[in-house]
Amino acid sequence: EPEVTQTPSHQVTQMGQEVILRCVPISNHLYFYWYRQILGQKVEFLVSFYNNEISEKSEIFDDQFSVERPDGSNFTLKIRSTKLEDSAMYFCASSQFQQGADGYTFGSGTRLTVV
Amino acid sequence: AQSVTQLGSHVSVSEGALVLLRCNYSSSVPPYLFWYVQYPNQGLQLLLKYTSAATLVKGINGFEAEFKKSETSFHLTKPSAHMSDAAEYFCAVSHPSTSGTYKYIFGTGTRLKVLA
Repeated sequence: EPEVTQTPSHQVTQMGQEVILRCVPISNHLYFYWYRQILGQKVEFLVSFYNNEISEKSEIFDDQFSVERPDGSNFTLKIRSTKLEDSAMYFCASSQFQQGADGYTFGSGTRLTVV
Repeated sequence: AQSVTQLGSHVSVSEGALVLLRCNYSSSVPPYLFWYVQYPNQGLQLLLKYTSAATLVKGINGFEAEFKKSETSFHLTKPSAHMSDAAEYFCAVSHPSTSGTYKYIFGTGTRLKVLA
């Protein structure tokens, strides 16, 4: 069964450093997403991406965040200057249809720890 | 605005007993509804989805959910709990934005514990 692949699975970084989280969505999917889950809290929407541009972003997704699909297969989330409160599990997801009626396929996540 | 409420952050059942995890939603449009399961240190796996076809939806691992519009509910059930069902379960609604795109709104999750 097709999978969404995320790397790395764990990342520890110092406050103020830049991190790039990588995702390889399912090949025939057109809609891409990043979500995050702070430990013990709910899964929160960060950003959606379609046709090489951001479709929607949440209040969390401020100027420190950016997304890119650099080569037609990878989908990356960059945090320019990490803060302690960015520590969370970050999930990438993709879907074939806009409404997500097929159900998003999520990756297994990257656990980011900012120290 | 769309929202999802999951009653009970923790639910414990005995092995072999009925599992009932509650989810209520609010939506201004006919919703797409989903249940996801998260095993420890793993990602989110789709259990089942409601997309305006049959109101009783069957998913993987013996789970099912019934969409009840009058009650704005989409509760998850399984007739007989198994130890391997211990996990966190998230209900989600697909939410249209003003830009015409969609995103999922998740509930706060219910951690299911299965007692031997």
